Amino acid sequence: DAGVTQSPTHLIKTRGQQVTLRCSPKSGHDTVSWYQQALGQGPQFIFQYYEEEERQRGNFPDRFSGHQFPNYSSELNVNALLLGDSALYLCASSPGPSGVSGELFFGEGSRLTVL
Amino acid sequence: SQQGEEDPQALSIQEGENATMNCSYKTSINNLQWYRQNSGRGLVHLILIRSNEREKHSGRLRVTLDTSKKSSSLLITASRAADTASYFCATSLLYNNNDMRFGAGTRLTVKP
Repeated sequence: DAGVTQSPTHLIKTRGQQVTLRCSPKSGHDTVSWYQQALGQGPQFIFQYYEEEERQRGNFPDRFSGHQFPNYSSELNVNALLLGDSALYLCASSPGPSGVSGELFFGEGSRLTVL
Repeated sequence: SQQGEEDPQALSIQEGENATMNCSYKTSINNLQWYRQNSGRGLVHLILIRSNEREKHSGRLRVTLDTSKKSSSLLITASRAADTASYFCATSLLYNNNDMRFGAGTRLTVKP
């Protein structure tokens, strides 16, 4: 049973470029949440997708957008990259938006470096 | 913005000793969870305690929750070098269970 998988694991972009990160949730999970984790900080909630719609959003600008596909996989897009967008981007899945237990299952993350 | 604040920011102990980490939060919650992260990798769920529970155990882990003080503690007993990691508390808000907020974490180092 595969857990949460994310791709790519590492990538380097330059300021102003756009990036797309991908996530496949754990089998049986239909809800995907995205987090940004800067070095030495805790994860910051970006948004959550359920039934192909954005259900909840954290305090992130519109440059951050996402999508969920019918197979529950998800993408995170960031436009007009800034140096401050350099971080580890974590995807987490759960069975339902609130989850039976509330537990989130995380992928290993995509480390984005913006030069 | 982050909901929880862990204390201390860093903790260094010897193998076999107990490690205690604390978490304070600001608003009413549904539940509080603790997660572990090894060196910038994905987070792993350790334990969840609901707002109507006061204490919970899982193996060498003991979690307490004091909703009147808006605080929680995680105790790891008989620590091992493999427990070296960052530990985060995360709160699920009372009126918005979809939004889970993490603290900045405690970096635990267990020396062999």
